[in-house]
Amino acid sequence: QVQLRESGPGLLKPSGILSLTCDVSGGFISSSNWWGWVRQPPGKALEWIGEIYHDGSTHYNPSLKSRVAMSVDKSKNQFSLKMNSVTAADTAIYYCARGFRGYCSHPRCNVALPLDYWGQGALVTVSS
Amino acid sequence: QSALTQPPSASGSPGQSVTFSCTGTSSDIGGYSYVSWYQQHPGKAPKLMIYEVSKRPSGVPDRFSGSKSGNTASLTVSGLQAEDEADYYCSSYAGSNNWRVFGGGTKLTVL
Repeated sequence: QVQLRESGPGLLKPSGILSLTCDVSGGFISSSNWWGWVRQPPGKALEWIGEIYHDGSTHYNPSLKSRVAMSVDKSKNQFSLKMNSVTAADTAIYYCARGFRGYCSHPRCNVALPLDYWGQGALVTVSS
Repeated sequence: QSALTQPPSASGSPGQSVTFSCTGTSSDIGGYSYVSWYQQHPGKAPKLMIYEVSKRPSGVPDRFSGSKSGNTASLTVSGLQAEDEADYYCSSYAGSNNWRVFGGGTKLTVL
C-alpha cells in the first residue's frame, strides 16, 4: 500500500520560502510514476502546482512557474517543493500525490496521469 | 478562477441519480480523453473516482460513471447514498504547456 506524507513548516512570513517534503513509502519513487503537488486554500478549490519524474523532468503550473521548484531525492524516496516570495494568497493545504502510470492507455503516457494516492495534506499559513 | 467550470452545488435524495458537469475548452477536455474526477470529504484528501473520462479505479462502486461530449465532461452518481455527500472535482490534461487543470468543484448534498 503506497503512502505519502507531507512535512514542513506550517507558518511562514510573507516574502519567505515555502519548503515541503513528501515521503513515499510502499513504493519506489524511481518507478515509472509522476509525483505531484496540489494545494487548496481554506474553503476553496484544488489548484495544481506541478509534478516531477524521478529523472528530474518537471511540469509546472504556468501561473506559479516563476516561483516554484521541485526536486527528487531517490536515496530518501522523497520529493520536495520549494516556492519563493510567498504571500497570504499562498496559505493553503498542500497535498502531495502520485500520478499513476498504471492508469494510462496513452502509447507513451506523456500526459497528466491520474492522481491515485494522496498525502493527508499539510497546512501552510503565510502571516506576519 | 479555475480553468474548468463546475456548478457550485448539486443535490439529490437517497436512491436518486445526480449528474455533475465540467466544462472546459478544446485545449483541455475537448482535445483529449484524459479527464479525471475526484471526491473529497471534509477534512480529507481527494480520492480518485474516475480516470480517462469513464474508467473506474478498483474499489470505486459502479454507481459512479463518467462521460464526455465535446468540451464538457460529466460525472453521474446513481443510487445516491448518504456517504456520497462530498465535493467533486474534475481535472483534465491540458496539453504540453498547461499540463493539468482542475475545476472549481461541485458540492453534492444528499437530502
